[in-house]
Amino acid sequence: QVQLQESGTGLVKPSETLSLTCTVSTASISTFYWSWIRQPPGQRLEWIGFINSRGKTIYNPSVESRVTITVDPSRNQFSLNLKFVTAADTAVYFCARGGDWAPDFWGPGMLVTVSS
Amino acid sequence: DIQMTQSPSSLSASVGDRVTITCRASQGIRNDLGWYQQRPGKAPQRLIQAASTLHSGASSRFSGRGYGTEFTLTISSLQPEDSGTYYCLQHNSFPRTFGPGTKVEIK
Repeated sequence: QVQLQESGTGLVKPSETLSLTCTVSTASISTFYWSWIRQPPGQRLEWIGFINSRGKTIYNPSVESRVTITVDPSRNQFSLNLKFVTAADTAVYFCARGGDWAPDFWGPGMLVTVSS
Repeated sequence: DIQMTQSPSSLSASVGDRVTITCRASQGIRNDLGWYQQRPGKAPQRLIQAASTLHSGASSRFSGRGYGTEFTLTISSLQPEDSGTYYCLQHNSFPRTFGPGTKVEIK
C-alpha cells in the first residue's frame, strides 16, 4: 500500500503563492508519475498536473501560467507551487500516484483557503 | 478539453439493489477511464481502471464496462458502505478531466 501525505500552509493571502509538499512512503518516487488534483468546496475534482522523477511535467492549461510542480527524489517528495492565488483557488488539494493512468493511491487531502 | 458527463446526478436505492451509473465522454477515449468512490471528507478511492479492470482490493460488487464514449459502473448489490459520490476520470488526453459526480444514497 503506497502512502502519500500532503503538507504545507492551509491559509494563503490573495495574490500570494500556495505551496504544498507531498511525501511518499512505502514506494520510490523514482518510478511512476505523480499528480496534484484539487477539489473546490462542493465541486468536481480538477486535475492540476503531474511530474515524473526526471522532472518531466504536464500541466492543466487552466493553471499552467501560475503553476510549478517539482520533484525531490532524495526526499521522496514532490511539490506544488501556485502563484497569484485568488479565492477561486480555495480547495482541498490531493497528491496521488499516477497520471499517465487513473491515479491509484491518494493522500488524504489538505484544505487550502485563500483569504486575507 | 474532453468533457465528461455523468447520469444520474444522484440516486437513492435500497440495500441489495442493482445500481448503474453512466459516464459519457465528448470524444472517444478508448478504454482510458477510471472510476472512483469518494466518501465525505475523504480522498477518492479507485474502484476501476482501464474501464473494466477491478482495482486490487475493491469489492467484486463493482464492475465497469464501455469503450470509446460511453461507460458504465454497476454495483451488483448495493450495501450501506457504498454510499458516497462516484466520479469517472478520463486519462486519454490532456488535461485529464473528471465527471461531475453521481451521489449515491441508501434508502
